[in-house]
Amino acid sequence: SQQGEEDPQALSIQEGENATMNCSYKTSINNLQWYRQNSGRGLVHLILIRSNEREKHSGRLRVTLDTSKKSSSLLITASRAADTASYFCATDATSGGGNKLTFGTGTQLKVEL
Amino acid sequence: GAVVSQHPSRVICKSGTSVKIECRSLDFQATTMFWYRQFPKQSLMLMATSNEGSKATYEQGVEKDKFLINHASLTLSTLTVTSAHPEDSSFYICSARDGLAGLETQYFGPGTRLLVL
Repeated sequence: SQQGEEDPQALSIQEGENATMNCSYKTSINNLQWYRQNSGRGLVHLILIRSNEREKHSGRLRVTLDTSKKSSSLLITASRAADTASYFCATDATSGGGNKLTFGTGTQLKVEL
Repeated sequence: GAVVSQHPSRVICKSGTSVKIECRSLDFQATTMFWYRQFPKQSLMLMATSNEGSKATYEQGVEKDKFLINHASLTLSTLTVTSAHPEDSSFYICSARDGLAGLETQYFGPGTRLLVL
């Protein structure tokens, strides 16, 4: 079953603006990860935030995690046209004796010049 | 960083034939490998989890006899789509966990695009 729901499904902004994507999930997690995927290509790992962390930064990326609300957000500051891609959250949870990564529905980001 | 490769990157086959996709961890030993399927403009759906030397664990709704998974070594897992049909056309992505790097670390392959005519 799909673990994460993301919103918005699609986001179109101008270059230089910030982009915020949200992810909600349903069960307890070990960590939450954000990935980027260019059209028709593989996944690029962006950032991982553990369940005991609340905020993490990496370059122009800022991720927050609220385990009480079972939600996370990804903020991309000063967006560039090259940031155009689909972004997925993925929750790492223990299930059936092993760890599984379950992906959210994704947000399609378009950054226009 | 660790690299996971997939072969082939693209494949076109006729309906009814079988297609094998390979997933290799290039510079680490993958105790666990995962297979995902992604339809156009949709998210990745986990199909199965395979551990080296044991049977794969399939997600609900995934036919184990149709999607055969073999994880024969710590660096290779294969997914065989048997008797492929047009509805099996999809983007198949594997990922691998580095057994020495901890459970958090999962590396993704570049994906294999399958088109069944």
